[in-house]
Amino acid sequence: DVKVTQSSRYLVKRTGEKVFLECVQDMDHENMFWYRQDPGLGLRLIYFSYDVKMKEKGDIPEGYSVSREKKERFSLILESASTNQTSMYLCASSQALYNEQFFGPGTRLTVL
Amino acid sequence: AQSVTQLDSQVPVFEEAPVELRCNYSSSVSVYLFWYVQYPNQGLQLLLKYLSGSTLVKGINGFEAEFNKSQTSFHLRKPSVHISDTAEYFCAFYGQNFVFGPGTRLSVLP
Repeated sequence: DVKVTQSSRYLVKRTGEKVFLECVQDMDHENMFWYRQDPGLGLRLIYFSYDVKMKEKGDIPEGYSVSREKKERFSLILESASTNQTSMYLCASSQALYNEQFFGPGTRLTVL
Repeated sequence: AQSVTQLDSQVPVFEEAPVELRCNYSSSVSVYLFWYVQYPNQGLQLLLKYLSGSTLVKGINGFEAEFNKSQTSFHLRKPSVHISDTAEYFCAFYGQNFVFGPGTRLSVLP
């Protein structure tokens, strides 16, 4: 069974902390994505990566950075967490950019 | 600009009734279309997709969707819903990049 896993289901952090969200896929997919999901706004793309060490900004990259050192792993970094980054974060992967994306279970991040 | 509109943010329906969730898109290029479902506290999973060929697409759990190019629509239908279909449904497409709609929350009532 194909799988995308995320390091935490729930996370609580304080304002100003550095936060790492990890995502791993076992499908040998080229592309990986980070989204945030907020009520009424659907999914908004933060960053995506089409190859190891390659990244592209999505619609809302401000306040975030990413790292892809290995094909199967894609990390989202909040350099200095703020309360407006409280959200559900979803990781996804796909073989080609136009192919269906496979999603992880999500990480619900609360920043206090 | 590319965009997806899901006209209904919430759709309540009684069990065993039919349902249609509406999706319209805007794109200047040809698109691939998708419907995803998200059950509570879970990630998204693919219901169905249209890449080419027949405009009527059948997916999992008895859902189907029809691609209408002239109306730029990709509405999702099910002839008889179950309580277990209660979830949020997202329409998405790939044209120049992947775009998701805001979602429709389907509530199936007993």
